[in-house]
Amino acid sequence: QSVLTQPPSASGTPGQRVTISCSGSSSNIGSNYVHWYQQIPGTAPKLLIYSNNQRPSGVPDRFSGSKSGTSASLAISGLRSEDEADYFCAAWDDSLSAVFGGGTKLTVL
Amino acid sequence: QVQLQESGPGLVKPSQTLSLTCTVSGGSINSGVYYWTWIRQHPGKGLEWIGYAYFSGSTYYNPSLKSRVAISLDTSKNQFSLKLSSVTAADTAVYYCARDSATQTKQNFFDYWGQGTLVTVSS
Repeated sequence: QSVLTQPPSASGTPGQRVTISCSGSSSNIGSNYVHWYQQIPGTAPKLLIYSNNQRPSGVPDRFSGSKSGTSASLAISGLRSEDEADYFCAAWDDSLSAVFGGGTKLTVL
Repeated sequence: QVQLQESGPGLVKPSQTLSLTCTVSGGSINSGVYYWTWIRQHPGKGLEWIGYAYFSGSTYYNPSLKSRVAISLDTSKNQFSLKLSSVTAADTAVYYCARDSATQTKQNFFDYWGQGTLVTVSS
């Protein structure tokens, strides 16, 4: 059971905009930064968004993050086939540990 | 370009100690800027943060694993290591080393990762 809650799956067609939600509590998302990772099966996670809405160099601006209260969202616009992957949210929890969501498997139809 | 690479046994017997090493290239672990981190992923499941070590020698561990974990740095080899004692089948996972680039308290995020190594606990 993950500390942060994500839907297990999401889907969209090429060109669509898709959002993935991440729900937490006042001890994690509510008081600390949220980060997002993309993981293509069989490979290591890749940092996609950090500090709620910052994109590392090289990440397309099709990816954006937001946070409100104890929830956060990752939005992917102009969906492409190569976006098919697992997406994880993460945050620091005041119980003194970094915590992750259980992951959302994104399918591009 | 920073690169991280895990190494170590892929099979560990129950009750023994799991030992892994992460070799860092393209940057110094002694820079005083980053936290050198271990994360694991149980088969088909989510990610679990294990802990980190800082260049000063300070360490910080997940409270759920704290009694069994030790992370250390070897600055002469630009490596850092993980030891997890008294392992059981529940410790079977892919283990990743990663660089934590937090610049503020409780910001922790991981911008470079190793490819991961599967460790199976079985007799």
